[in-house]
Amino acid sequence: ILNVEQSPQSLHVQEGDSTNFTCSFPSSNFYALHWYRWETAKSPEALFVMTLNGDEKKKGRISATLNTKEGYSYLYIKGSQPEDSATYLCAFGGNTPLVFGKGTRLSVIA
Amino acid sequence: GAGVSQSPRYKVAKRGQDVALRCDPISGHVSLFWYQQALGQGPEFLTYFQNEAQLDKSGLPSDRFFAERPEGSVSTLKIQRTQQEDSAVYLCASSSQPQGGTPSGANVLTFGAGSRLTVL
Repeated sequence: ILNVEQSPQSLHVQEGDSTNFTCSFPSSNFYALHWYRWETAKSPEALFVMTLNGDEKKKGRISATLNTKEGYSYLYIKGSQPEDSATYLCAFGGNTPLVFGKGTRLSVIA
Repeated sequence: GAGVSQSPRYKVAKRGQDVALRCDPISGHVSLFWYQQALGQGPEFLTYFQNEAQLDKSGLPSDRFFAERPEGSVSTLKIQRTQQEDSAVYLCASSSQPQGGTPSGANVLTFGAGSRLTVL
């Protein structure tokens, strides 16, 4: 069974704090690692798709890194804002449909 | 349409009732996926369509679950004789690329907002 683990499960940060969370995944049969942001009552929205070891992607204050050899990815948010409050899902893309982790629920307190 | 549309957004069913959940994917998208997200869990794969063909239904939890996409566009997920453990958010996603083959792991999915099913 393919296992994708995310930590922490949830965290609360103050507005302006920077934060990061982790996704670990199998290192075999790897094609891509996806990050999605899912705000309450909305659709999950794709943030990044990373395919190469050492990939770094950035979108505004959010960035992500990828280590395929050891099977982990970090998502960083710099200067968190209340609108960053959401569940952040990572998903492993292999030769099967995407396998998701349980997500990290982020709450940013103003 | 501009995005993936799902209906109903919320459904409350009595145990034993049949329900049907609809997904309208992005026009022209070849691939369509259904995922189930139970409380406290991540989305779990149910089934995959490439056009009208259901190529993978390995994630359907029981024979009470049935999905179809007869004309290769709109899809319906049907759950017969609902049970309390069926309570979950059912997510539909579509992609312009087919699943399968080396590049498919990098295919970005566009999700709908989900249908939240509560079985009493």
